[in-house]
Amino acid sequence: GESVGLHLPTLSVQEGDNSIINCAYSNSASDYFIWYKQESGKGPQFIIDIRSNMDKRQGQRVTVLLNKTVKHLSLQIAATQPGDSAVYFCADANTGFQKLVFGTGTRLLVSP
Amino acid sequence: DAMVIQNPRYQVTQFGKPVTLSCSQTLNHNVMYWYQQKSSQAPKLLFHYYDKDFNNEADTPDNFQSRRPNTSFCFLDIRSPGLGDAAMYLCATRSGDEQYFGPGTRLTVT
Repeated sequence: GESVGLHLPTLSVQEGDNSIINCAYSNSASDYFIWYKQESGKGPQFIIDIRSNMDKRQGQRVTVLLNKTVKHLSLQIAATQPGDSAVYFCADANTGFQKLVFGTGTRLLVSP
Repeated sequence: DAMVIQNPRYQVTQFGKPVTLSCSQTLNHNVMYWYQQKSSQAPKLLFHYYDKDFNNEADTPDNFQSRRPNTSFCFLDIRSPGLGDAAMYLCATRSGDEQYFGPGTRLTVT
């Protein structure tokens, strides 16, 4: 079956550093991916998305890279701040099935 | 203003006592989802509605049921909660690429 997985369960960085969170997916037909941030006790919050016809998409301080050849995507956070501390999930949002399949999650810890 | 509202935010129920969680949306999205999220785990899809069409995930226990009386409201019914059903329950909506999650209801089973 399909799986969407993350390589690292916890990532600790210093404030001001750049953070990179990785995610692998297994369904080569997947066409749409979303990164979510989830703070403790809250629902997932949309950060950025990318379609399979793109390799890179940039937002404010965040960049998502998609490598379809190896079925891998990453979320890069520039100048990480303490407020970025949360669990980050990648999700396969295959538009054909209207479903979200979440990856395992990576906890980002930002120390001052 | 909140677009996906879940009530209550915290729910305590007794083992085996039926419980209903509710979700409402102001977005008029045609798709609504219920997810179960246990501690330190990813949200797991239980079922979703595309308009009135109900789509159950293959591994969702029969103990979990859902109702969607209209576009705005969706309910999650747990017929006989067990201790293993203690979790955060997340409601989400979708229309095209727009997708929003509610704040969740944390269910405790005593």
